[in-house]
Amino acid sequence: GQNIDQPTEMTATEGAIVQINCTYQTSGFNGLFWYQQHAGEAPTFLSYNVLDGLEEKGRFSSFLSRSKGYSYLLLKELQMKDSASYLCVPVDSGNTPLVFGKGTRLSVIA
Amino acid sequence: DVKVTQSSRYLVKRTGEKVFLECVQDMDHENMFWYRQDPGLGLRLIYFSYDVKMKEKGDIPEGYSVSREKKERFSLILESASTNQTSMYLCASSLNRGLDEKLFFGSGTQLSVL
Repeated sequence: GQNIDQPTEMTATEGAIVQINCTYQTSGFNGLFWYQQHAGEAPTFLSYNVLDGLEEKGRFSSFLSRSKGYSYLLLKELQMKDSASYLCVPVDSGNTPLVFGKGTRLSVIA
Repeated sequence: DVKVTQSSRYLVKRTGEKVFLECVQDMDHENMFWYRQDPGLGLRLIYFSYDVKMKEKGDIPEGYSVSREKKERFSLILESASTNQTSMYLCASSLNRGLDEKLFFGSGTQLSVL
């Protein structure tokens, strides 16, 4: 089975930096996805980490520590359009589909 | 870019009707999935398929069935729609495992059952 723990809600100011943490437990591990989901829309892919360390992609970066079962998503220079839910999705090594939690709902305020 | 197309963005049906939700992907992906999402809840897996003619139950299969006669098409069927099946339905596909397990989603179908 899987356990995913993320904060339910976060609020941050336009132009600031925010870090969304995720701890997870899986039976085996084959990487971790971050998805973004705007209200009323489908999730869209942000990043995939399988090795320890930080991966940077524009304003968004994702970090993974396999030994700690920990990941975070870092959003820089926040914009109003970044208001969305952010879903941490670990991949187990069995032949099972991805499991999505409720994610973290981020509100960016002026 | 992969395109996953769901046949309807909004659908209104009556209780007891048989409802078909169609999903087509254009990138020869092996895996296809149906999720539903309700306000305040995460995506919940209804059914999935790792190959043509193959289907497996997800976490909440009751009241649903699926069909995958061709690789590119995965249909979700509500045999007799009920009001508690009012929800956003999301179809997704993926190539394989690991990074290839990245899910590509359709734009969703908001189904209302009256």
